[in-house]
Amino acid sequence: ILNVEQSPQSLHVQEGDSTNFTCSFPSSNFYALHWYRWETAKSPEALFVMTLNGDEKKKGRISATLNTKEGYSYLYIKGSQPEDSATYLCAPGAGSSNTGKLIFGQGTTLQVKP
Amino acid sequence: KAGVTQTPRYLIKTRGQQVTLSCSPISGHRSVSWYQQTPGQGLQFLFEYFSETQRNKGNFPGRFSGRQFSNSRSEMNVSTLELGDSALYLCASSLGFRRELAQETQYFGPGTRLLVL
Repeated sequence: ILNVEQSPQSLHVQEGDSTNFTCSFPSSNFYALHWYRWETAKSPEALFVMTLNGDEKKKGRISATLNTKEGYSYLYIKGSQPEDSATYLCAPGAGSSNTGKLIFGQGTTLQVKP
Repeated sequence: KAGVTQTPRYLIKTRGQQVTLSCSPISGHRSVSWYQQTPGQGLQFLFEYFSETQRNKGNFPGRFSGRQFSNSRSEMNVSTLELGDSALYLCASSLGFRRELAQETQYFGPGTRLLVL
């Protein structure tokens, strides 16, 4: 059973603060790590799919890094805005290349105060 | 391009009844997965379908079943509903063309919220 841990569970920051979250996962049989943003009453939105050790991805003010050898990924948000308020989920693939099955962490809920 | 659609969006059933939920993937996508979201458990994998075949099944009782049609649309069925089946059911689709499906971006629908009374 894959154990995916995300920390912190929740985070309250002021507008303009930069923040980061952690996703820990078993490093064996790694194929990909997915990051999603899930705003209330909306569908989960894909942010990144990361596949290579040392991978870095960026989308606007959001970036992510990946360390497959030690089994963690960081998500960074630079200059948080109220619209960044959401739950951020990470999900490694389920240990096989030919399945799209994802194992989700419990998520980090970010609240950005104006 | 239209996104993933799910119907119905909301559903109220009573214990013992059965329910069918529908998912239409993004046009051209061949792989469909289903997830259940409850407050205590987070997002849990239910099934994965690819070209009308179930590729993977999560750790759920046999009351949960699904299928995929030739047009890639998918349905899931829950029989003999229990109170604990109350949840948000999400479906996600991906292209299904890469040799490594694990690396494909999956696009989620808005979900069906099921309440079992």
